Amino acid sequence: NAGVMQNPRHLVRRRGQEARLRCSPMKGHSHVYWYRQLPEEGLKFMVYLQKENIIDESGMPKERFSAEFPKEGPSILRIQQVVRGDSAAYFCASSDLERGGYEQYFGPGTRLTVT
Amino acid sequence: AQSVTQLDSQVPVFEEAPVELRCNYSSSVSVYLFWYVQYPNQGLQLLLKYLSGSTLVKGINGFEAEFNKSQTSFHLRKPSVHISDTAEYFCAVSRAGGGNKLTFGTGTQLKVEL
Repeated sequence: NAGVMQNPRHLVRRRGQEARLRCSPMKGHSHVYWYRQLPEEGLKFMVYLQKENIIDESGMPKERFSAEFPKEGPSILRIQQVVRGDSAAYFCASSDLERGGYEQYFGPGTRLTVT
Repeated sequence: AQSVTQLDSQVPVFEEAPVELRCNYSSSVSVYLFWYVQYPNQGLQLLLKYLSGSTLVKGINGFEAEFNKSQTSFHLRKPSVHISDTAEYFCAVSRAGGGNKLTFGTGTQLKVEL
């Protein structure tokens, strides 16, 4: 059973460009979470999605950031007009709540560098 | 809201010695507790979890943790560490029930030396 997959693993963007981060949850999981790990800081929750719905976006910056999890395909975290402060590792996790799986399984992350 | 405190940012220990990584949490509601390990430039791997039941939980790689509700703690222990245990360890808490975000501590860097 493949784990959570994220791509790209590394992404370099210039200031002002857009960054798109993709996450495919574990097979059968329909709940996806995004976290951000800034240098020298712990992981911070950003958003929680279930298929086609945003359940909790309390950790998302109000501007430039958006997330979706369509019926078909991976979840996407989109950052518009990136700034240097967006440089971080972005992790996706998934869980299988329908089968009582309360733990979250993490992907390898996407390391975003803004130059 | 929940919060997690990992008091030790770094813990050096010799190989084959025991280790304890401390974690305290704060919450006004029932919680689930987790420990994750992160190796350099990798994602997080679940070591163990406490949802309910026995307060002593065993995880992978010989780790265990004990949930202490009165002290609001969930310390991680291993009786004998190996060089390969060198990594960053994160304690996390979520509100009990499904579909809740994880709140992480700032992490403890475990460095195992020969």
